[in-house]
Amino acid sequence: DIQMTQSPSTLSASVGDRVTITCRASQSISSWLAWYQQKPGKAPKLLIYKASSLESGVPSRFSGSGSGTEFTLTISSLQPDDFATYYCQQYNSYPITFGQGTRLEIK
Amino acid sequence: QVQLQESGPGLVKPSETLSLTCTVSGGSISSYYWSWIRQPPGKGLEWIGYIYYSGSTNYNPSLKSRVTISVDTSKNQFSLKLSSVTAADTAVYYCARARTVAVAGNWFDPWGQGTLVTVSS
Repeated sequence: DIQMTQSPSTLSASVGDRVTITCRASQSISSWLAWYQQKPGKAPKLLIYKASSLESGVPSRFSGSGSGTEFTLTISSLQPDDFATYYCQQYNSYPITFGQGTRLEIK
Repeated sequence: QVQLQESGPGLVKPSETLSLTCTVSGGSISSYYWSWIRQPPGKGLEWIGYIYYSGSTNYNPSLKSRVTISVDTSKNQFSLKLSSVTAADTAVYYCARARTVAVAGNWFDPWGQGTLVTVSS
């Protein structure tokens, strides 16, 4: 199985900050990576697919980059609605696997 | 807009079979892949498997011996059965539409709201 490791596990930031979350794969996954946002008690919401393709309706302050084994999710200017947990997911090969999550909290 | 809704018992006894159904509304179940994903309380996400509308399946090897996913196109539903459950199977179970590319696997959108299944006697 491909292991996905996110860092940091928890990130404290303020409204207006630029933040970056990193996801590393245990082997190359090309650009087959998705990012999700999950709020407490809710289902995950797709933000990014194919490493850098912004899902329709997702604000442009979210962006993704990377290929191979290292990927980043960047939020250019944090908004109050962005405080949540973020997960990466590889779909290069089965079984599909997720990172352990990064909790973004208010500083 | 496609919406998914999970349904099924919220409490299952150890050693019994967990059964859930996902009803798809606002669109046809045909021509898509459909998945089950679970999340133990306070933990991360685990992919369980997918089914294509034609009936072909792919399961996570960690669960393969206990999992069956089936589809009923006439009802626009797909279902999950997980046998011989233990407390470790306690989780929120999500159904989701699996988007795919021919040369790789699936990413997921949209998701159902999720249903908590507790395994306890």
